[in-house]
Amino acid sequence: EDKVVQSPLSLVVHEGDTVTLNCSYEVTNFRSLLWYKQEKKAPTFLFMLTSSGIEKKSGRLSSILDKKELFSILNITATQTGDSAIYLCAVVQGGSEKLVFGKGTKLTVNP
Amino acid sequence: DGGITQSPKYLFRKEGQNVTLSCEQNLNHDAMYWYRQDPGQGLRLIYYSQIVNDFQKGDIAEGYSVSREKKESFPLTVTSAQKNPTAFYLCASSMLEGRGRGNEQFFGPGTRLTVL
Repeated sequence: EDKVVQSPLSLVVHEGDTVTLNCSYEVTNFRSLLWYKQEKKAPTFLFMLTSSGIEKKSGRLSSILDKKELFSILNITATQTGDSAIYLCAVVQGGSEKLVFGKGTKLTVNP
Repeated sequence: DGGITQSPKYLFRKEGQNVTLSCEQNLNHDAMYWYRQDPGQGLRLIYYSQIVNDFQKGDIAEGYSVSREKKESFPLTVTSAQKNPTAFYLCASSMLEGRGRGNEQFFGPGTRLTVL
């Protein structure tokens, strides 16, 4: 059965801390891995990863994929209260282009 | 502005009633998707469509139905057969592989359905 597992499910940190969110997967016909941030409503796109070892960066956020070990991490440095959200990891299956989502990591950043 | 719209934002339904949730996109995307989100469950795929007049069941299609008569529109009907319909429903769309910059899915703002 295809699955995406995120850990931890919940995380509480203080402003300025650095966090690492994990995503492991077992999905047939892997095409790419996506990270989304969900605050109150619609998930917003963060990164798409298709190749191993190439880090994607956007400001304080970065992500990398390991296709041999079947996992990805999302790093957030110098966290701010505005980073509080649910972070979703999803894997795209080739052919159907379906997304298989993990349950998400709920990040709370306290001032 | 290009994007995905969903309506209504909030919907209340009595048990035994069918309701239809609207999803429209003007991004010229080929594929459209419906997800259900419950607390602690992540997003689960209900139905998806890659082309007009064609759609496939996702992981939790029972009690739901869809249509895709136009490229821009993919309405979802929650029927009375759906045992536990109270949830947050998200619609998404994407280009298909090879026809855009990737298969990133763009999401609408969602509809929160509550069964009374």
